[in-house]
Amino acid sequence: DAKTTQPPSMDCAEGRAANLPCNHSTISGNEYVYWYRQIHSQGPQYIIHGLKNNETNEMASLIITEDRKSSTLILPHATLRDTAVYYCIVRTPAQDDKIIFGKGTRLHILP
Amino acid sequence: DGGITQSPKYLFRKEGQNVTLSCEQNLNHDAMYWYRQDPGQGLRLIYYSQIVNDFQKGDIAEGYSVSREKKESFPLTVTSAQKNPTAFYLCASTPDRGRAVAFGSGTRLTVV
Repeated sequence: DAKTTQPPSMDCAEGRAANLPCNHSTISGNEYVYWYRQIHSQGPQYIIHGLKNNETNEMASLIITEDRKSSTLILPHATLRDTAVYYCIVRTPAQDDKIIFGKGTRLHILP
Repeated sequence: DGGITQSPKYLFRKEGQNVTLSCEQNLNHDAMYWYRQDPGQGLRLIYYSQIVNDFQKGDIAEGYSVSREKKESFPLTVTSAQKNPTAFYLCASTPDRGRAVAFGSGTRLTVV
């Protein structure tokens, strides 16, 4: 089973910031949080990942709470091309790295 | 360009036939994965392999088989024992444990 919980869907107005939450209350100390997105009928695309510090790249920002039990992916200025399913997963660089995905959040960008 | 190649993009088979989906990567990645996706659903792990000549079952391995004879290749066979094989199949790889996963573009299998 997936170790993360995400809302099934969200709406965001074009040009506004999209904030996608993820709950990972059972995360362990050496597990990273990864975010991916999947545009219809394509393979998922890596967005960002982090361990405990906030991270930012050209695509998004990742905010991880101090207790690491939840995180938020921020798309600062959403466009119609950001319409996709967003997956949050937790992984540890361990012997048995199964990489389990949940159902993700379907983000609708409204014009 | 480096990447993961899945072929074909669309595949049609008659019920009761085995079919093999190809996945090739030139990224020099050690670990490879197969996922199944049904409409409106997330990705479910079928099989994964951390190293050549070794692989493990994922959550829904029944009716599927794999091999990992070469680092670059991880073919998936959908057997006649798989009761509902029509789905979108995704292959993925990662260089080592904990690194970001790269995905292929997927194969849509339809069994009629």
